[in-house]
Amino acid sequence: EAGVAQSPRYKIIEKRQSVAFWCNPISGHATLYWYQQILGQGPKLLIQFQNNGVVDDSQLPKDRFSAERLKGVDSTLKIQPAKLEDSAVYLCASSLAAYTEAFFGQGTRLTVV
Amino acid sequence: KNEVEQSPQNLTAQEGEFITINCSYSVGISALHWLQQHPGGGIVSLFMLSSGKKKHGRLIATINIQEKHSSLHITASHPRDSAVYICAVSSETSGSRLTFGEGTQLTVNP
Repeated sequence: EAGVAQSPRYKIIEKRQSVAFWCNPISGHATLYWYQQILGQGPKLLIQFQNNGVVDDSQLPKDRFSAERLKGVDSTLKIQPAKLEDSAVYLCASSLAAYTEAFFGQGTRLTVV
Repeated sequence: KNEVEQSPQNLTAQEGEFITINCSYSVGISALHWLQQHPGGGIVSLFMLSSGKKKHGRLIATINIQEKHSSLHITASHPRDSAVYICAVSSETSGSRLTFGEGTQLTVNP
């Protein structure tokens, strides 16, 4: 079974630039999560989708972060404009449904300089 | 105080030793997860449990709901077990959103 795919693996950008990350969840998984993990900390949920609808985006900094999952499959997370403190690993995870086991991608390591 | 606390933060062991990582939480939960994160960022789900005990190979996870405590045990540890082990919970009030502990960095020396 193919896992959760994320791209790119690494990205370095200057502050105030824009960046986008892509996630392809496991086929058939209705629930998709984006997490932000700052170095030395545990991941923090940014947004949760159920199919193409947003379930929880309470911790998403909406002035600069946006995410979409238009067809209920792939998802993109965008940061515009980026700040130094956005440097982190951005993890995508998916599960068959809410409350079931989540499977994580390899993450995208973002460095903002 | 974090909702999920792990101990120890760092753990160094010799190959073959029995290892225990502890997790305490302060909220009512629907499930507790143990995850493994290797350098490079990818996270692998090890266990998802809501009661009792689960075993997979050399890994054992237990949970005591009354005491709000879980442990992850590794028997006959090996250098390839070196990773960050993360405890996460989905609480009764936050839906399926996971709240993560800070992780335990395990290093197993040959």
